[in-house]
Amino acid sequence: DAGITQSPRHKVTETGTPVTLRCHQTENHRYMYWYRQDPGHGLRLIHYSYGVKDTDKGEVSDGYSVSRSKTEDFLLTLESATSSQTSVYFCAINSGNSYEQYFGPGTRLTVT
Amino acid sequence: GQQVMQIPQYQHVQEGEDFTTYCNSSTTLSNIQWYKQRPGGHPVFLIQLVKSGEVKKQKRLTFQFGEAKKNSSLHITATQTTDVGTYFCNAGNNRKLIWGLGTSLAVNP
Repeated sequence: DAGITQSPRHKVTETGTPVTLRCHQTENHRYMYWYRQDPGHGLRLIHYSYGVKDTDKGEVSDGYSVSRSKTEDFLLTLESATSSQTSVYFCAINSGNSYEQYFGPGTRLTVT
Repeated sequence: GQQVMQIPQYQHVQEGEDFTTYCNSSTTLSNIQWYKQRPGGHPVFLIQLVKSGEVKKQKRLTFQFGEAKKNSSLHITATQTTDVGTYFCNAGNNRKLIWGLGTSLAVNP
């Protein structure tokens, strides 16, 4: 498996609180992605990064922000969590030399 | 916009039966990738196809890219319980990948 970790792996938080999820890679890959996965919706892209400080929105970016200050770390922040953001969040990386993505183990987030 | 449709959404098979999932697009695809996600796990990359009519095999799995590059298939011969999971396809580029919704495979022993 590619060197990619996510933290925390599980989190329960209350509506209105800020939440930050971390993705860390040891592969020095250029591209990093944040997805959410919900039943019936497959994988939906939230944000992605194509380099340090270079990020762009995906298809479901509302309510989320990201930052990438180092190649190895990509942070996803929910400024004010809502129940609709209860989901499993996956981080993925890609070297840019092909289209294959390597996924982290996921973070299960529950917003009560 | 570009969409990738996967069919069927679900499939139940008896162990030993074959299984096929299809990924279809209304537009020509430059590439297609297939992933497998076990229950409770994360998606794992299986294969990438880029050439028209390309066929690749991985043991009991056969991947095919259509001649018109608008569809692709994943065929599993003689399914085993270890094949259980959801199979996803995607296509696009590093800045915009379009994912299918996946085909969930259940295998009865």
